Amino acid sequence: QSALTQPASVSGSPGQSITISCTGTSSDVGGFNYVSWYQQHPGKAPKLMIYDVSNRPSGVSNRFSGSKSGNTASLTISGLQAEDEADYHCCSYTSSSTLIFGGGTKLTVL
Amino acid sequence: EVQLLESGGGLVQPGGSLRLSCAASGFTFSSYAMSWVRQAPGKGLEWVSVISGSGFSTYYADSVKGRFTISSDSFKNTLYLQMNSLRAEDTALYYCAKDRGAVVPAALDYWGQGILVTVSS
Repeated sequence: QSALTQPASVSGSPGQSITISCTGTSSDVGGFNYVSWYQQHPGKAPKLMIYDVSNRPSGVSNRFSGSKSGNTASLTISGLQAEDEADYHCCSYTSSSTLIFGGGTKLTVL
Repeated sequence: EVQLLESGGGLVQPGGSLRLSCAASGFTFSSYAMSWVRQAPGKGLEWVSVISGSGFSTYYADSVKGRFTISSDSFKNTLYLQMNSLRAEDTALYYCAKDRGAVVPAALDYWGQGILVTVSS
């Protein structure tokens, strides 16, 4: 099964909003509300930012939000801050009872 | 506080075997599914395998099916990954991760720091 499709990179200035897309198929993103997003700073373990498409774990800033339409999920970060610069990975449950990740998106805060 | 500590990584020759361990603490181990996720140098995340909280259900990525075996010991609160017939493309940092749920892998809310596996002659 091929990885979910994410843009390789996105960028934005402090205070702006950015959106990262994550495209799959009806066998993963489109078929289940089990899309999650992870933030990963260099040399660090990933951190869960969004689960079940649009839910935030306790302690995650409300500047992070998630949504889904059809086979594409999205992560939006509003009020960009320098500390948001990181890699972002989307992930979905699949019809094979497995998980599949996207290729990852590098966010640069200009 | 949830803690996950991986061990057992290292350098192994192609075709060799290695067993990774992940010692868990701070939560009821048998109540949550546990996954292994790997990341090759400079690459994205790749999900490898999951075991349900009960230990009765296991699933694998196609890339490791038939070569890797996931297991758990609820008495020792430890997750394992037995890796056989290792290939160069298995070289990666391997993370163990706790799921939010007990059965289906849905979202990984806690991660270890990772353990490096290098497959090379």
